[in-house]
Amino acid sequence: AQKVTQAQTEISVVEKEDVTLDCVYETRDTTYYLFWYKQPPSGELVFLIRRNSFDEQNEISGRYSWNFQKSTSSFNFTITASQVVDSAVYFCALNYNQGGKLIFGQGTELSVKP
Amino acid sequence: DAGITQSPRYKITETGRQVTLMCHQTWSHSYMFWYRQDLGHGLRLIYYSAAADITDKGEVPDGYVVSRSKTENFPLTLESATRSQTSVYFCASNYGGVYNEQFFGPGTRLTVL
Repeated sequence: AQKVTQAQTEISVVEKEDVTLDCVYETRDTTYYLFWYKQPPSGELVFLIRRNSFDEQNEISGRYSWNFQKSTSSFNFTITASQVVDSAVYFCALNYNQGGKLIFGQGTELSVKP
Repeated sequence: DAGITQSPRYKITETGRQVTLMCHQTWSHSYMFWYRQDLGHGLRLIYYSAAADITDKGEVPDGYVVSRSKTENFPLTLESATRSQTSVYFCASNYGGVYNEQFFGPGTRLTVL
């Protein structure tokens, strides 16, 4: 079965702290993509990044970085020097078939306090 | 403006009433999706469509009906609303395939009394 688990329901940090959001996935497919979405308090879902199953290189974009490890079936997301504007719910998702369907994790609510 | 829109943005209805949520996209994406978002469950797929007149069930289809007569529109109907269908509903679209991210509408907050 395909599944995405985000075990951290809520995380609270103080501004400028680094924070890592965990994502563990399950799939039997060899070809798949993993995604991260951000849902700020305004409610919309914003695409952040995709990673394919054959590319284990880490990705860095400004204060954001992603660590993909097939050996542990994890695709973790780190925010360096967090800011209040990072406060949001973050979703990890898996796409494993040509239909483009996404399987979402339960989401992690990040609260960054000033 | 190009994009994906949903209407209404907020809806309050009563148990047993029929409700239709609208979704419209201007990208000519072949695939469209309906999700519901509930606390503790993330987003769960209700129905999706690969093209006009082609629809299929997702994870939680019971109590919902969809149609897609035009590529750009994908309405979701609750034939007889129940309190358990109180949720935030998101429509999304993409070109299909395992690579492409989905683009989401702003959501519809539905309350069933």
